[in-house]
Amino acid sequence: QSALTQPRSVSGSPGQSVTISCTGTSSDVGGYNLVSWYQQHPGKVPELMIYDVSKRPSGVPDRFSGSKSGNTASLTISGLQAEDEADYYCCSFVGSYTYVLFGGGTKLTVL
Amino acid sequence: EVQLLESGGGLVQPGGSLRLSCAASGFTFSSSWIHWVRQAPGKGLVWVSRINRDGSSTNYADSVKGRFTISRDNAKNTLYLQMNSLRAEDTAVYYCATGITVAAYGHWGQGTLVTVSS
Repeated sequence: QSALTQPRSVSGSPGQSVTISCTGTSSDVGGYNLVSWYQQHPGKVPELMIYDVSKRPSGVPDRFSGSKSGNTASLTISGLQAEDEADYYCCSFVGSYTYVLFGGGTKLTVL
Repeated sequence: EVQLLESGGGLVQPGGSLRLSCAASGFTFSSSWIHWVRQAPGKGLVWVSRINRDGSSTNYADSVKGRFTISRDNAKNTLYLQMNSLRAEDTAVYYCATGITVAAYGHWGQGTLVTVSS
């Protein structure tokens, strides 16, 4: 049960766009449209930002978008704001046995 | 408002046991699949276990299989995690979470810290 692969860190300036990748296999990310993304600020509870690859829960700004190509899912944040600085985790359903895997997390720094 | 409140964490010696609880309110608990997710200090999120609506189906991460047992009491709107044979690597904040769809956790508790140390 290896974690999904995310870059350790990404950065961008206010107003720019950044994309965080999440790479798995055909048994997880590539096999199901059940990828979600979470934002976590230090000391806080994770917050769901994207689910089912590209759906946004109510209240999440449309600056956040998700997509998937093959075995790699992506979270794109456009119009970066200072408050977007946080850790981001992807998550995928991986079947009825292993069930769910998270990525290792990506630290987003807003320069 | 959906609320999940974990309790039962604390300091335990290696090899010891602990039972975590997650009290739910604000939604139809008996209709929801509930999961446990943990986060070691300074580390990432790791899925631990999940249970279906009536408790008849459960799944576990390989790292806890055979040592942890997830259960629920729908009459009490409460989820449990019985943790046995605890190891230092089980030290983490344990969250209960429920979601919109599979692997989409829209609601999280505040977490309870489990520390395994002698």
